[in-house]
Amino acid sequence: QITLKESGPTLVKPTQTLTLTCTFSGFSLSAGGVGVGWIRQPPGKALEWLALIYWDDDKAYSPSLQSRLTITKDTSENQVVLTMTNMDPADTATYYCAHPHAQYSAYFDYWGQGTLVTVSS
Amino acid sequence: QSVLTQPPSVSGTPGQRVTISCSGRSSNIGSNYVYWYQQLPGTAPKLLIYGNSQRPSGVPDRFSGSKSGTSASLAISGLRSEDEGDYHCATWDDNLSGVVFGGGTKLTVL
Repeated sequence: QITLKESGPTLVKPTQTLTLTCTFSGFSLSAGGVGVGWIRQPPGKALEWLALIYWDDDKAYSPSLQSRLTITKDTSENQVVLTMTNMDPADTATYYCAHPHAQYSAYFDYWGQGTLVTVSS
Repeated sequence: QSVLTQPPSVSGTPGQRVTISCSGRSSNIGSNYVYWYQQLPGTAPKLLIYGNSQRPSGVPDRFSGSKSGTSASLAISGLRSEDEGDYHCATWDDNLSGVVFGGGTKLTVL
């Protein structure tokens, strides 16, 4: 049974750095082909893919946000961390982590419940 | 502006059949599998269709997906009130080297 859960601050100030943690169970990031992705959704708006990290530490980032994003993994703790710098009110969104069934695809078969992050002074 | 284009909304009455379109380009839908996600109010997205037209275990056969060229479609037959929510298409984009989503379609069951 695969589960994922996001954690992090619910409120950040503009220009601050956001750090979100995805804690998962039911799979290991040391196994071949396995990865974790991050997707966000501003209130009432579309889903937006942010980043992916795989078992071999291969990473992929949204081209429009790449300069602000860093994704890392802690295999022993079953966690993936996403940091986003220079937060802006436009970054207010629910942030989801998800399990990709296959590498380099949009095939997310398990999702976390999401965590709402508000950017406001 | 999303890379994939979906209608903002569709509606239907119980029992009807509705379709949701998803339009892209050769670098995304044209060369990769399409996935559909259902997002019921206040919940996380859930995988509805994978590999263009396959249903995960537990998804009713009222839901079907298809792809032709650079477009894909999701059809929902025998519409039920519990189908109300948002539907998102997604795929990999070879030019962007990343995942792209549609703008989402809100389904209303009248």
